[in-house]
Amino acid sequence: KAGVTQTPRYLIKTRGQQVTLSCSPISGHRSVSWYQQTPGQGLQFLFEYFSETQRNKGNFPGRFSGRQFSNSRSEMNVSTLELGDSALYLCASSFTGTDAAGYTFGSGTRLTVV
Amino acid sequence: AQSVTQLGSHVSVSEGALVLLRCNYSSSVPPYLFWYVQYPNQGLQLLLKYTSAATLVKGINGFEAEFKKSETSFHLTKPSAHMSDAAEYFCALAGTALIFGKGTTLSVSS
Repeated sequence: KAGVTQTPRYLIKTRGQQVTLSCSPISGHRSVSWYQQTPGQGLQFLFEYFSETQRNKGNFPGRFSGRQFSNSRSEMNVSTLELGDSALYLCASSFTGTDAAGYTFGSGTRLTVV
Repeated sequence: AQSVTQLGSHVSVSEGALVLLRCNYSSSVPPYLFWYVQYPNQGLQLLLKYTSAATLVKGINGFEAEFKKSETSFHLTKPSAHMSDAAEYFCALAGTALIFGKGTTLSVSS
């Protein structure tokens, strides 16, 4: 079966711009979570969507937002980009988001802010 | 509060040697624990998981981990390292989201 698909793989943006990243979960998975990975802070949880509703949110500023569509595909948006937003953004999908089956991750979107 | 601590940010072994990556957790409820591996410029791949069944968990690529409640540990081992095992390894605890350790980079020399 197809895995978790994230697009685009690489992105270069200028400070102050906004960006939208996309994640298509595994078919049948209803939970999509987003994580930011940086060398300094490691893997940090951004937010989780389940059935089009944000269910959990990490400790990130309001510039980071997301949404989920009826087909479970999810997008995250970062407005007013800062240099510190440069990171690998990972999307993970699971059936319920709280099950023990674990999460399947996509290959990530590498965002570079210049 | 739930947390995960990985001891040793970098571990180096020779090919054929034992691999031991350490993970300790803190949780007030019975934990679900995971080990993930990440290769350069890739996402995270699930190696194995503990979900309160057997305490010795076998995963892919010859890895296994033992859950020890008394020591709040979930160390990852592999009897014989291969060059292809060189990667970054993350221990994670399931809460409202996955809580990750800082990661351990495994280097394997020939």
